[in-house]
Amino acid sequence: QKEVEQNSGPLSVPEGAIASLNCTYSDRGSQSFFWYRQYSGKSPELIMSIYSNGDKEDGRFTAQLNKASQYVSLLIRDSQPSDSATYLCAVIQGAQKLVFGQGTRLTINP
Amino acid sequence: GAVVSQHPSWVICKSGTSVKIECRSLDFQATTMFWYRQFPKQSLMLMATSNEGSKATYEQGVEKDKFLINHASLTLSTLTVTSAHPEDSSFYICSASSGGLADEQFFGPGTRLTVL
Repeated sequence: QKEVEQNSGPLSVPEGAIASLNCTYSDRGSQSFFWYRQYSGKSPELIMSIYSNGDKEDGRFTAQLNKASQYVSLLIRDSQPSDSATYLCAVIQGAQKLVFGQGTRLTINP
Repeated sequence: GAVVSQHPSWVICKSGTSVKIECRSLDFQATTMFWYRQFPKQSLMLMATSNEGSKATYEQGVEKDKFLINHASLTLSTLTVTSAHPEDSSFYICSASSGGLADEQFFGPGTRLTVL
């Protein structure tokens, strides 16, 4: 079992719709969770961090965390073509080690 | 805030030569810096973690004598790929953390290394 798992996609969503990205992790002791966006040929950009169970909203983005189910998700409302990218779920394990999932490639269709 | 730079952004070198990549935190002091490698269509893999003034901690399978890391100040870390070979061609990305409870890491723009 991989430490952080994501569906690699591609995930296609029409413009204006909600994109839903999911991630599961294996280390039950993890406390810090992140979503990064990575455009092709670029480095990751931090979108959201979440540390407590429940929802955290920032603009069009909502991160959801369920530690009991070891599940993290990212919702993107009113999807725009500029949201097309690979989204990386990352979890802190141990002392500051950031472990990434394989990423989900998202395409927003105009 | 939280800007991290890398230099160079890309480099092409001959097999057997050494290449140095710099990572700088521009507007904060980075107690810890991290070096990642990313091959095409794969996710980021942590190579090593470095703390200012200490020896780097390498991940399993990463040769410390081949990938030399120096973290001489709170704003600068360097990665030197020694005796580079074509299989070392990759996208090398550093990140920096100021520490604290947030654990957030801020990534540099990356360096694309091509070894001929």
